[in-house]
Amino acid sequence: QVQLQESGPGLVKPSGTLSLTCAVSGGSISSSNWWSWIRQPPGKGLEWIGEIYHSGSTNYNPSLKSRVTISVDKSKNQFSLKLSSVTAADTAVYYCARNGVYSSSWYGSIGYYYYMDVWGKGTTVTVSS
Amino acid sequence: DIQMTQSPSSLSASVGDRVTITCRASQSISSYLNWYQQKPGKAPKLLIYAASSLQSGVPSRFSGSGSGTDFTLTISSLQPEDFATYYCQQSYSTPPLFTFGPGTKVDIK
Repeated sequence: QVQLQESGPGLVKPSGTLSLTCAVSGGSISSSNWWSWIRQPPGKGLEWIGEIYHSGSTNYNPSLKSRVTISVDKSKNQFSLKLSSVTAADTAVYYCARNGVYSSSWYGSIGYYYYMDVWGKGTTVTVSS
Repeated sequence: DIQMTQSPSSLSASVGDRVTITCRASQSISSYLNWYQQKPGKAPKLLIYAASSLQSGVPSRFSGSGSGTDFTLTISSLQPEDFATYYCQQSYSTPPLFTFGPGTKVDIK
């Protein structure tokens, strides 16, 4: 059973870079899954940050794209998040997740339905001097 | 960008009640809609994917319906462990942009 564990500094200074890692256990990061980062500011809703495939292909939320880098380390079975130029607005619980996929054919075309089916427990990052 | 809204933002219900939460997309998303449950201090948990498919291990009292722009999550008989916040999420956008709704908090009446 796949499990995910986030790790990284809990406190980052304003204008600095937030760096987190998500370790994958019980499965391979090289499986046919994308892997996502999601965050949740205190008392607020969920925001998808971006995703990565084991090949290194990435997709990012346009609202964060200029500051985000997601990378993968297949040798360590983990993937990472870097968010630069952080401010207090980046204070949040950061989650990593596995993207599951369900495919369904409909009149000759195939639809791929993505969802986050395995989540880490989350790690709190505070941006403060 | 596709915007997601949910109603109500919160509701109070009793154990055994039938509860319905609505999610609306700003444009048609076919059936590319997922539902999650989140309890305080915990990560979200997938309940429903592709609008109506029940995730493995999720009790059958949870069900999802809808397509296009309007979707519903129904809990047929609310149990004590169901008091939580529920989020919808669209996965229709290309390139991917997984947008969540603002959440619906279900608490005890």
